Amino acid sequence: NAGVTQTPKFQVLKTGQSMTLQCAQDMNHNSMYWYRQDPGMGLRLIYYSASEGTTDKGEVPNGYNVSRLNKREFSLRLESAAPSQTSVYFCASSSWDRGVPEAFFGQGTRLTVV
Amino acid sequence: GIQVEQSPPDLILQEGANSTLRCNFSDSVNNLQWFHQNPWGQLINLFYIPSGTKQNGRLSATTVATERYSLLYISSSQTTDSGVYFCAVERSGNTPLVFGKGTRLSVIA
Repeated sequence: NAGVTQTPKFQVLKTGQSMTLQCAQDMNHNSMYWYRQDPGMGLRLIYYSASEGTTDKGEVPNGYNVSRLNKREFSLRLESAAPSQTSVYFCASSSWDRGVPEAFFGQGTRLTVV
Repeated sequence: GIQVEQSPPDLILQEGANSTLRCNFSDSVNNLQWFHQNPWGQLINLFYIPSGTKQNGRLSATTVATERYSLLYISSSQTTDSGVYFCAVERSGNTPLVFGKGTRLSVIA
């Protein structure tokens, strides 16, 4: 099925542990994003990649790193997890190829840091 | 950066009622989208509407770009309409969507 696939769906980490969230899209979109969603805060942008080989910081980048491995894949890494990073993480991809924006979101990763 | 404000933050409706959700934004945009997040967390695009009016079944949306607001209308609400509705805007092409904090809608039978 076409779309955005995120793994894992759920994760519990201890403070200080590291992990990588994986994201892949098969729609040939140039742009990919990582957002986090916290109660009452909407979705806030962590990092984005406008094209393969480029990445830029969003609103809340501290504590995260990203890699745009190729056009399909965009990963998010937490080097030393903190309780403040407990959140739901969404990967998204988008395109303006046909003059109308298309934005698709993954199913989300629910991360708890204890 | 651009600010997006949504109101009301929470809304409880009886099944069959109508509702209007509002989105105000602080600067001109070339992209405005409404999303629905269902109770399982999935985000689905409802409308791309940087200006004008669109309708899709019981849902319709209007954006008045010159006054920097958009409205989402839900008519004859159903329990399946429950969830969070987000407005998101983009200032220029190829920049990330900026989201409002959402309106949480609960439709009760």
